[in-house]
Amino acid sequence: AQTVTQSQPEMSVQEAETVTLSCTYDTSESNYYLFWYKQPPSRQMILVIRQEAYKQQNATENRFSVNFQKAAKSFSLKISDSQLGDTAMYFCAFMNRDDKIIFGKGTRLHILP
Amino acid sequence: KAGVTQTPRYLIKTRGQQVTLSCSPISGHRSVSWYQQTPGQGLQFLFEYFSETQRNKGNFPGRFSGRQFSNSRSEMNVSTLELGDSALYLCASSSPGTGGAGIDTQYFGPGTRLTVL
Repeated sequence: AQTVTQSQPEMSVQEAETVTLSCTYDTSESNYYLFWYKQPPSRQMILVIRQEAYKQQNATENRFSVNFQKAAKSFSLKISDSQLGDTAMYFCAFMNRDDKIIFGKGTRLHILP
Repeated sequence: KAGVTQTPRYLIKTRGQQVTLSCSPISGHRSVSWYQQTPGQGLQFLFEYFSETQRNKGNFPGRFSGRQFSNSRSEMNVSTLELGDSALYLCASSSPGTGGAGIDTQYFGPGTRLTVL
C-alpha cells in the first residue's frame, strides 16, 4: 500500500531562517506525482510546489524548493528566507496515475518574529 | 470515529449533464471543504461550508455549487459538465480547535473520481 510519512508534526523557526520539511513515501510505481500543499489559518489549501517523478530536476518556486530523491523515496521541502506568512500546516501528497491521492498527516510550521 | 466518506467513488457522465457528489464529514465536524484535484493543477479549492453557510469560495465558475445540511453532510453539484471537469473531487472536514494556532486540521475523504466523456 502507498503511504506518505511526514515525521515532523510541528516545527518552529525564526523569521528569515531556512527550514526543511521532511516527507517520505512508499510506492512500487515508477510514474507518479508529488505535491506540497500549504494550509494557512484561512484553511484554504494552497499548492506550493509539484514534482513529476519522471523529472530528475528538483522543482523550484521562488523561495520554495524540493529535494527529490526517487531512489530513497524522499521529497523534502525547503523554505528559504522564511516569512511570517509562511506559518501554516504543510501537507505532502502523493498521486499515482490512477489519480489516487494520499496525504501525509502534515507538519505545523510556525515562523517566529 | 469513522472517517470522511464520499459517494459515489466513481462516476462517468457525458458533456452537458449534471452531477451531484456527496460528502459525510467526521462526526462532530461542522466544516466541510471541497477540492478539485488534477495532475496538472494539483489541488484547487472549490468552497467551504460551515453550519450550512458557505464561508469561503474558490475561483470556479458558477456551474459549481454546493450546500450543507443541518447534519453537516454536504453535497456538491456541477451543472453542464465539460470535459475539463474530469477530476478527482475531494472533500475534507474539520472542527475548530483541532489544529492549534488557528489552523483547523483537515481530514480528507477518499474522493470521487468524475470522468466526463
